[in-house]
Amino acid sequence: DQQVKQNSPSLSVQEGRISILNCDYTNSMFDYFLWYKKYPAEGPTFLISISSIKDKNEDGRFTVFLNKSAKHLSLHIVPSQPGDSAVYFCAASATTSGTYKYIFGTGTRLKVLA
Amino acid sequence: KAGVTQTPRYLIKTRGQQVTLSCSPISGHRSVSWYQQTPGQGLQFLFEYFSETQRNKGNFPGRFSGRQFSNSRSEMNVSTLELGDSALYLCASSLDAKSYEQYFGPGTRLTVT
Repeated sequence: DQQVKQNSPSLSVQEGRISILNCDYTNSMFDYFLWYKKYPAEGPTFLISISSIKDKNEDGRFTVFLNKSAKHLSLHIVPSQPGDSAVYFCAASATTSGTYKYIFGTGTRLKVLA
Repeated sequence: KAGVTQTPRYLIKTRGQQVTLSCSPISGHRSVSWYQQTPGQGLQFLFEYFSETQRNKGNFPGRFSGRQFSNSRSEMNVSTLELGDSALYLCASSLDAKSYEQYFGPGTRLTVT
């Protein structure tokens, strides 16, 4: 039972355009969400996070949007750069349950074309 | 400040053997989590340790175990290896048990033949 889903295994975007990566979740107890970026042969790197009390969080070129009613979050990268080519994972946690265990999606491979 | 280190980086084992993987967290970090990454399954949570105590455990069989030492270094052990255990095993550290941000190591690539 996949509680966090990234339904697009891959995405190609032209350099300079917007990249939109999507993530859906099923557990209404999730209240903290993160995005990680992973290059080959490296561990995931934390990118940006959002708490369920917000619907948007921005950090430079990266913005995460949270739609709690739809149980959906998205990561926007504007403008996209070739160095953004990586696998992106979203992760969710139900922090109010007293646990900080993260459930990860299966990842979306982003390719930014020069 | 040095990042999370994992040893060994690559490992080849035979079915039925056991294996021990090691993780050294970022200096000052006291919480360590382990994940298994396989194609199509993403990162699956194995367990989390804080102050030498296992706080959370994922849905993995008892063949998977771990421990944490007083210096926060952690090991995970897999006994009676199966072909399906071939995966990238990632360790992540965080400052304490209530830190949201985890910092990952490069992983140990385990191949079971």
